[in-house]
Amino acid sequence: DADVTQTPRNRITKTGKRIMLECSQTKGHDRMYWYRQDPGLGLRLIYYSFDVKDINKGEISDGYSVSRQAQAKFSLSLESAIPNQTALYFCATSVGSNQPQHFGDGTRLSIL
Amino acid sequence: GENVEQHPSTLSVQEGDSAVIKCTYSDSASNYFPWYKQELGKRPQLIIDIRSNVGEKKDQRIAVTLNKTAKHFSLHITETQPEDSAVYFCAACNYGGSQGNLIFGKGTKLSVKP
Repeated sequence: DADVTQTPRNRITKTGKRIMLECSQTKGHDRMYWYRQDPGLGLRLIYYSFDVKDINKGEISDGYSVSRQAQAKFSLSLESAIPNQTALYFCATSVGSNQPQHFGDGTRLSIL
Repeated sequence: GENVEQHPSTLSVQEGDSAVIKCTYSDSASNYFPWYKQELGKRPQLIIDIRSNVGEKKDQRIAVTLNKTAKHFSLHITETQPEDSAVYFCAACNYGGSQGNLIFGKGTKLSVKP
């Protein structure tokens, strides 16, 4: 689905830098998610949001923060990037609980 | 909380054969079980899902079965084709325990040899 858009698609940066990954959606879904994917570890939930005023930590939130600027926008920040945060990051949306999630194309992040 | 185990981690089959991927979950309250396919370099995409009020669901060459008593569910792909080669993820969720969030298995890399 082109209607979950992540920017940038690729990013290489240095240890200690602050990085923001952005996600926008035109699906009109209330729920938005940020996942991290590492080889052999599947998809792990970083943060999720039920609406603009509701932000929740997921399984691996340490070292990350998020902002839900609007229903359609959910940003993930790495305040001070470290090499073990090198991974593929996905944003997803869903219309509600126990419903399919729709993923963006991902952001490949490399931290040197 | 919910925990999802997925097996095998890799699976290689000949074109035309069947492939079966199995997942177990820990929370008996889980009631929604989707399967995602992720081709190399692409996003995960939903291919089929099942809810706890049914035991089996089919969509052409793909089927999913659910055994609530044993707390396991399986993906069956018949007449496999090279384009079925991908990583497949199962997931489980329930409204209460995981707030309706999906808990994913670690994935199965399926290779279909021509």
